[in-house]
Amino acid sequence: DTGVSQDPRHKITKRGQNVTFRCDPISEHNRLYWYRQTLGQGPEFLTYFQNEAQLEKSRLLSDRFSAERPKGSFSTLEIQRTEQGDSAMYLCASSPLRDLATEAFFGQGTRLTVV
Amino acid sequence: AQKVTQAQTEISVVEKEDVTLDCVYETRDTTYYLFWYKQPPSGELVFLIRRNSFDEQNEISGRYSWNFQKSTSSFNFTITASQVVDSAVYFCALSEATTGFQKLVFGTGTRLLVSP
Repeated sequence: DTGVSQDPRHKITKRGQNVTFRCDPISEHNRLYWYRQTLGQGPEFLTYFQNEAQLEKSRLLSDRFSAERPKGSFSTLEIQRTEQGDSAMYLCASSPLRDLATEAFFGQGTRLTVV
Repeated sequence: AQKVTQAQTEISVVEKEDVTLDCVYETRDTTYYLFWYKQPPSGELVFLIRRNSFDEQNEISGRYSWNFQKSTSSFNFTITASQVVDSAVYFCALSEATTGFQKLVFGTGTRLLVSP
């Protein structure tokens, strides 16, 4: 499977716990994105990496959220002290550094439920 | 501020009917890209088309066609002879030069239900 891979697919956690999600982009894709999607809404941009550099962060990404992409390959998104409002689908996407606005390829997402 | 509006929350059609999904966008940029993505029940967003702001030519790909009109800030998507497999949520999205084209702004999506 050469698509974007996300792990886990589902996560149920208690409020206040920390969670970490992993994204493996399509190999050789330099750009990696995280989006959050709540029920009935479109995905909302969270952050963007070009190789290992985090180039943009949304205001949605509070200080409880941190994303990393060591070595410019896989990425992790950590949420500390989870709140019920963090319940959502977290989508990862990647795209090649071919031109300015290449289409992003999305993974199947990690569905987080905070109870 | 950039914004994408998909006013149709849900559309139900019977197989073989044609259906048009509307998308209206707002942007101050003169250079931007518009996209359509399909999200089947599995959850993965599937890319369908990308259009830049300088190319207003309509495009047809099999049963899919897209009508881009800058004068009305619309980028509508038509499925001809719909099939049950077309059932999904469809999202229109916008990326702008001011964000380096690296941030997609999505609409709220239109859920299409195609019944046999």
